[in-house]
Amino acid sequence: NAGVTQTPKFRILKIGQSMTLQCTQDMNHNYMYWYRQDPGMGLKLIYYSVGAGITDKGEVPNGYNVSRSTTEDFPLRLELAAPSQTSVYFCASSHSGGNTEAFFGQGTRLTVV
Amino acid sequence: DAKTTQPPSMDCAEGRAANLPCNHSTISGNEYVYWYRQIHSQGPQYIIHGLKNNETNEMASLIITEDRKSSTLILPHATLRDTAVYYCIVRVATPSNTGNQFYFGTGTSLTVIP
Repeated sequence: NAGVTQTPKFRILKIGQSMTLQCTQDMNHNYMYWYRQDPGMGLKLIYYSVGAGITDKGEVPNGYNVSRSTTEDFPLRLELAAPSQTSVYFCASSHSGGNTEAFFGQGTRLTVV
Repeated sequence: DAKTTQPPSMDCAEGRAANLPCNHSTISGNEYVYWYRQIHSQGPQYIIHGLKNNETNEMASLIITEDRKSSTLILPHATLRDTAVYYCIVRVATPSNTGNQFYFGTGTSLTVIP
């Protein structure tokens, strides 16, 4: 099992550019999450999904979009990159929303200049 | 409104037990307490979770008070590799109340000293 895989690991974007952060999991988990972590802070939820075709907003969704066409993949889209989106992004998955732990990817470090 | 409260930093001597406290006074009766750690800026790593009974696994022990308002994570023999930020986490409803999420505070930065 590879677990949760995120690509790319690092990226520098110019203001106004767009990109997609990729996330895939091979554990057949229903729940998937995108978090961002700013320096010295905890993780904040951007978007989540409880299954293929179902997504919803977290605490900080502005400037992002997601899709969930398959169980395995949960890409995060930045349409018009802004310096405020400079952060480390983590994708996670869990079997359900109940008594199960979440598994995290190794993160994507994004800098917008 | 803080879901969990942890001290911002702690030190522990190598080989000694590290006891990391957490207050979660607003936890509801069916919510589990989870502990994760994050080394440098890697992805958070699951340690342990529990509801009301004490739990132990190969990494740590979790002691939950009888009223469930607080818990303590115990690393029995801390090593230098245990230096990390430790998060005490509860699952809370998402903003649209259609699911739940792992709610991260700012955690405790544990430094294991040689």
